[in-house]
Amino acid sequence: DQQVKQNSPSLSVQEGRISILNCDYTNSMFDYFLWYKKYPAEGPTFLISISSIKDKNEDGRFTVFLNKSAKHLSLHIVPSQPGDSAVYFCAASVDKVNYGGSQGNLIFGKGTKLSVKP
Amino acid sequence: GAVVSQHPSRVICKSGTSVKIECRSLDFQATTMFWYRQFPKQSLMLMATSNEGSKATYEQGVEKDKFLINHASLTLSTLTVTSAHPEDSSFYICSALRDVPYSNQPQHFGDGTRLSIL
Repeated sequence: DQQVKQNSPSLSVQEGRISILNCDYTNSMFDYFLWYKKYPAEGPTFLISISSIKDKNEDGRFTVFLNKSAKHLSLHIVPSQPGDSAVYFCAASVDKVNYGGSQGNLIFGKGTKLSVKP
Repeated sequence: GAVVSQHPSRVICKSGTSVKIECRSLDFQATTMFWYRQFPKQSLMLMATSNEGSKATYEQGVEKDKFLINHASLTLSTLTVTSAHPEDSSFYICSALRDVPYSNQPQHFGDGTRLSIL
């Protein structure tokens, strides 16, 4: 049973337009969400995160939106650039520090391959 | 900052060989590191959590005698795949969590090791 789902395996966007990547989750205990970007032959690179106490977090061209009631988050990239072409992974975890443990145990989606065309 | 180095990047060896993979945090201390495995078209799956100075915590279904983890310092964790067989062929990737006194920190990933057992 997949707890984090990225239902779109691929997305193609024109340069300068907005890219919207979606992610759904099923575990209501998740309270920390992250987006990673991955180029071929490299490890995932942390992009942006959001805690469940927020519904929006913005960093430059990247904005993550969280809808807890719908158990849905999205990553918006605007304007999209050809260099943004990569696989984007959504991940979620439970903040175990508040439960006496250490934070970790990221659950990943399968990724969405974004292609930004010039 | 937050660079994680993983070595080797690729291993091809015969069945029955033991293979050691190193994961180093280059510019920060990491009490906690993680080892993941990714099969084709699947998401990253956590294998184990590596804690400096103590035994690793393995996820359900991961054989601890098969996948030996040693976290002897605050910047190095190793994964040894013992007596590897073709079914162990996969992409292994580590991540490290920066030691900070508060929760909700992103994991920083190495570039992964492609293991191919003949």
